[in-house]
Amino acid sequence: GAVVSQHPSRVICKSGTSVKIECRSLDFQATTMFWYRQFPKQSLMLMATSNEGSKATYEQGVEKDKFLINHASLTLSTLTVTSAHPEDSSFYICSARYGQREKLFFGSGTQLSVL
Amino acid sequence: TQLLEQSPQFLSIQEGENLTVYCNSSSVFSSLQWYRQEPGEGPVLLVTVVTGGEVKKLKRLTFQFGDARKDSSLHITAAQPGDTGLYLCAGAGSEKLVFGKGTKLTVNP
Repeated sequence: GAVVSQHPSRVICKSGTSVKIECRSLDFQATTMFWYRQFPKQSLMLMATSNEGSKATYEQGVEKDKFLINHASLTLSTLTVTSAHPEDSSFYICSARYGQREKLFFGSGTQLSVL
Repeated sequence: TQLLEQSPQFLSIQEGENLTVYCNSSSVFSSLQWYRQEPGEGPVLLVTVVTGGEVKKLKRLTFQFGDARKDSSLHITAAQPGDTGLYLCAGAGSEKLVFGKGTKLTVNP
């Protein structure tokens, strides 16, 4: 199946710093990628839809200035958590749409811990 | 807004037992997918069902899509400890997938 690589897998940072998370589709081109946030033992919450070459579409309640998304190429989308605070600590997961059908492949996630 | 109600939210059973997870909605989906997620990992696609009434089997897992394409079920036969994980259903909406809240399955040896 298609492979989506997400880095880093784990990051610990101090409050006030910014953290960048990368999501790459390794063997296919993804015009659309999605960013999710997941709290322990809960489902995925869609944060934003990232479209190559255009601005991301954010879900209601997600601060676009807080969570910067860049989809500069067909294989790479990045999520930057700016001025991170402890409440931003969470598991962040990206996914990429593969082909014409609604088939998503997920990255392995990034556990962010803000001290 | 399309919503998917997934039940049960938690399920703890003994090895060898059977179980069924349900995913229901008032909305029609063009397709429905089931994922399994282990702690610290991203979800892994198990199956996609597209046609109303469709039944797909994956070893001991049986997936069914409702005739009206509004609901789906996942049945596991003779569950094993290796089946432990978070099972997520997701319906394909207009632009994005709509996820259920997940079922945390624990199979005890």
